[in-house]
Amino acid sequence: EAEVAQSPRYKITEKSQAVAFWCDPISGHATLYWYRQILGQGPELLVQFQDESVVDDSQLPKDRFSAERLKGVDSTLKIQPAELGDSAMYLCASSFSQGVSSETQYFGPGTRLLVL
Amino acid sequence: DQQVKQNSPSLSVQEGRISILNCDYTNSMFDYFLWYKKYPAEGPTFLISISSIKDKNEDGRFTVFLNKSAKHLSLHIVPSQPGDSAVYFCAASKGGTGANNLFFGTGTRLTVIP
Repeated sequence: EAEVAQSPRYKITEKSQAVAFWCDPISGHATLYWYRQILGQGPELLVQFQDESVVDDSQLPKDRFSAERLKGVDSTLKIQPAELGDSAMYLCASSFSQGVSSETQYFGPGTRLLVL
Repeated sequence: DQQVKQNSPSLSVQEGRISILNCDYTNSMFDYFLWYKKYPAEGPTFLISISSIKDKNEDGRFTVFLNKSAKHLSLHIVPSQPGDSAVYFCAASKGGTGANNLFFGTGTRLTVIP
């Protein structure tokens, strides 16, 4: 069964350092999402791509976060510099298309980030 | 402002009994609702969904009910099994073109006692 791949699974870093997360969506899925899940809360969208274009990044803290999907396939989310409050689970999801609310999103295993 | 709410952080049920997880939403523009199941250290796994044009959707042991007038949905698991123990998230999305990101509740931790 096709799955969304993410790496690394766990990352420990010190504050002010740079971190990067990678996501490979299900093959053929045009839409890719990055969510952040803080402990005890539900996931919240950071950025959404349709192919290589950003559809929604309104909740992305652009002073320190950046995301790219250069070839419209895999994607990288970067934080520089990391802050203590960035400690969370970073989830990547993909769906076949976007603009249709009934499209099911499939999630990867996530990257657990701990900032010390 | 939390647009999707799960007011019960936890629920314990005996094996074989029914589990009922509840979810409320505030945005009347939501037209598609999903339930995800999440185990520790894993990403959410899609469980079942329902369109706003329906009031019930069933898949094996899982049934989702939607009450649009009350802006309320529930997930029924019958019979509950120990393997169902996980955190369950309710999510909703809006119709129309453009971004269709999911709005999640805070989750309900279900424990099924053998």
